[in-house]
Amino acid sequence: EVQLVESGGGLVQPGGSLRLSCAASGFSFSSHWMHWVRQAPGKGLVWVSRIKTDGSITTYADSVKGRFTISRDNAKNTVYLQMNSLGAEDTAVYYCTRDGGGEAAIHYFEDWGQGTLVTVSS
Amino acid sequence: DIVVTQSPDSLAVSLGERATISCKSSQSVLSSANNKNYLGWYQQKPGQPPKLLIYWASTRQPGVPDRFSGSGSGTDFTLTISSLQAEDVAVYYCQQYWQTPPAFGQGTKVEIK
Repeated sequence: EVQLVESGGGLVQPGGSLRLSCAASGFSFSSHWMHWVRQAPGKGLVWVSRIKTDGSITTYADSVKGRFTISRDNAKNTVYLQMNSLGAEDTAVYYCTRDGGGEAAIHYFEDWGQGTLVTVSS
Repeated sequence: DIVVTQSPDSLAVSLGERATISCKSSQSVLSSANNKNYLGWYQQKPGQPPKLLIYWASTRQPGVPDRFSGSGSGTDFTLTISSLQAEDVAVYYCQQYWQTPPAFGQGTKVEIK
């Protein structure tokens, strides 16, 4: 059974930083692109970032480019999202997702974690 | 970037009746190389993460009831729930994955009439 467990969310002041983690199990982690998708309270889904199987390619939404960094540790089956210079607009539930395409850059989201809530407020 | 638009924003359907959701992309998501439409559908129930229902526009994810079906090609797509059940109350999203960034529609809330 595929499991994705996010952690690291919480309350942070504007301008602050947080590091989210997503621990994966139940599949060959190193063979899948991974993504972060976020959802502001009461709003829709927004793709945030992706990382290739070996970490050699990373891509970001324009709204987070230069502030967020995605990374992965295939030995630990974990993907991370370092978030800096946070603003109120970053308040959301952040979901870790497994790419349905495996090593191919297909990018539909086959499995989702339960999400971790990030609240940016003073 | 490709923009994805769903309609309606919400709909109320009687139990056992058909529910139909439309999804339009600002550019074609049909690949001429493999003749596949890079379009997926997700269901999100309150307090839960989204769940993949359909990919390649019409391929049901294993375990998804066959009352859910996807159709369409190019820029126009449809999700149909053939006989609405109480457990289908949710928000439904379509998503294009032809181009990066992947993009979702704004969601359609399905309720019981």
